[in-house]
Amino acid sequence: DAGVIQSPRHEVTEMGQEVTLRCKPISGHDYLFWYRQTMMRGLELLIYFNNNVPIDDSGMPEDRFSAKMPNASFSTLKIQPSEPRDSAVYFCASSYDRSLGNEQFFGPGTRLTVL
Amino acid sequence: AQSVSQHNHHVILSEAASLELGCNYSYGGTVNLFWYVQYPGQHLQLLLKYFSGDPLVKGIKGFEAEFIKSKFSFNLRKPSVQWSDTAEYFCAVNARGYSSASKIIFGSGTRLSIRP
Repeated sequence: DAGVIQSPRHEVTEMGQEVTLRCKPISGHDYLFWYRQTMMRGLELLIYFNNNVPIDDSGMPEDRFSAKMPNASFSTLKIQPSEPRDSAVYFCASSYDRSLGNEQFFGPGTRLTVL
Repeated sequence: AQSVSQHNHHVILSEAASLELGCNYSYGGTVNLFWYVQYPGQHLQLLLKYFSGDPLVKGIKGFEAEFIKSKFSFNLRKPSVQWSDTAEYFCAVNARGYSSASKIIFGSGTRLSIRP
């Protein structure tokens, strides 16, 4: 398996623009997680899905952030409108087998810079 | 609620020194415990994990961790570090049987810098 795939790897945009980050989980995994990592706040869980259904979105910072998972192999995280304080690395992770204790497999991340 | 504490934010060691990074969690039930490593510019990767059985867990690259239930701790150790161990290390806990059992809680991370 190719692992968790994220695109784009780098995104530079201007304040006010819409940003869409994409994630393809490992095939067969039924949990998908979106994290944000910054120097100031560390690694933050934004939202996670189980079988394409959002389970916990309490980490989503505000209404400008939204996430969808239309099918088992694709998820998006959208920021509209974007602000400079959204600049961070956004990681997607997936997991499945409870016998593995929900070990999460992380994607390479998307480095977002909002000017 | 579950929480994970990593008290050392930045550790600086010389090569060949011994390493111990602290991790404490708060949850009274059964847990799965993890250490993840993030090398500079890369994503998080699993270093080792504990589910049950022997509380001394061995991972990749010579790392090990010991689960001490009475202390709610899962400290990471390595007897002799190398320059290539420079990275950020995250402790994480998943509470089995908890309502949101699939959500792993991560600690704030410990940055390890190794002087050549």
